[in-house]
Amino acid sequence: NAGVTQTPKFQVLKTGQSMTLQCAQDMNHNSMYWYRQDPGMGLRLIYYSASEGTTDKGEVPNGYNVSRLNKREFSLRLESAAPSQTSVYFCASSLGYGYTFGSGTRLTVV
Amino acid sequence: AQSVTQLDSHVSVSEGTPVLLRCNYSSSYSPSLFWYVQHPNKGLQLLLKYTSAATLVKGINGFEAEFKKSETSFHLTKPSAHMSDAAEYFCVVTLEGQTGANNLFFGTGTRLTVIP
Repeated sequence: NAGVTQTPKFQVLKTGQSMTLQCAQDMNHNSMYWYRQDPGMGLRLIYYSASEGTTDKGEVPNGYNVSRLNKREFSLRLESAAPSQTSVYFCASSLGYGYTFGSGTRLTVV
Repeated sequence: AQSVTQLDSHVSVSEGTPVLLRCNYSSSYSPSLFWYVQHPNKGLQLLLKYTSAATLVKGINGFEAEFKKSETSFHLTKPSAHMSDAAEYFCVVTLEGQTGANNLFFGTGTRLTVIP
């Protein structure tokens, strides 16, 4: 099925560990995004990529890095995980104002 | 600056009664506005969007929203609630003419409970 695929769906990390969240879309969208969702705060933009080869910081970029590997894939890396990064992470892609979201990655940092 | 305020963090209705989820926005420009729904442990699904066409927007599953510029509101309504409508709803505003996600602002969400 066409859409946005995120892996993994669940992850538990120890403080200081690193990991990469993967995201791929097959809709030929130019723009891709990473959000985090915390209780009572809605979704907040971490990083985005308006097109292949470009990335920009969003509202809460500290502690994260991203790579737009090609038009399909946009990964989010936590170099040294902290408990404050416990959250649900959503990847999205868009063409114009049509946004499609992945099903999320639930990350717990202990 | 752009922002969106969802006036109720939790709304509870009986099955078969109307639903009203309130959203006010502030924007320096003509905004585009969206409502998304999130069912438990699921991703976000677009209900409807307003992008400067008709002010009354019809979406999926019987939902609709009216853009009122004078009131800076974009409230979501449904005539008759169904049990399957129980979910979290997000009002989202973005800047017209911009394609960068840096201009996508989410409200904090309204949790809708439907009582049988």
